Amino acid sequence: GAVVSQHPSRVICKSGTSVKIECRSLDFQATTMFWYRQFPKKSLMLMATSNEGSKATYEQGVEKDKFLINHASLTLSTLTVTSAHPEDSSFYICSARPRTGNTEAFFGQGTRLTVV
Amino acid sequence: AQSVTQPDIHITVSEGASLELRCNYSYGATPYLFWYVQSPGQGLQLLLKYFSGDTLVQGIKGFEAEFKRSQSSFNLRKPSVHWSDAAEYFCAVGELSSASKIIFGSGTRLSIRP
Repeated sequence: GAVVSQHPSRVICKSGTSVKIECRSLDFQATTMFWYRQFPKKSLMLMATSNEGSKATYEQGVEKDKFLINHASLTLSTLTVTSAHPEDSSFYICSARPRTGNTEAFFGQGTRLTVV
Repeated sequence: AQSVTQPDIHITVSEGASLELRCNYSYGATPYLFWYVQSPGQGLQLLLKYFSGDTLVQGIKGFEAEFKRSQSSFNLRKPSVHWSDAAEYFCAVGELSSASKIIFGSGTRLSIRP
């Protein structure tokens, strides 16, 4: 149980285009999901907290108009990188906390974004 | 604000030798602590976690960690490393009260010497 799926696992897009990354909790409901970004050989930096049915909470320094987050249901959150630039190339990982039970959040396998 | 410090950027140990990866945290209340492992280009795998109770926590792959409140530490140990243990290791602190926001340390890269 407690599987979180990210799609796609890898994506290449052209500069100026937008790309959407999906994070799904497959066997549980998640009112809260988190989006992280990881630069090469660096740690994971929390970008934003996604709450079902409400606006996401962004960490300081993260452009909310650049990284659009939508959490439309209890099992799906999406991160859209708008007007992508090469510096947006990174590894993006989501996590989801089950709505019930006192447990930690579970992580997806990540999405490697390359902007060319 | 909560934070995690992993003082060792890169550690190399010989196969079969013991391992200890250091982690110190800063958190106002009783922390929830985690160790994750990440292989190159891969996602995160949870090795172990501490929520409460016994301060010595057993995890997968033969790893263990000990929570020491007096030292604000949660060091990861393994008595005998295998070549397959080479990876990046992240210590993390989180809160479970409402949102499970997890903050990661900077990571320690483990290399194994044949």
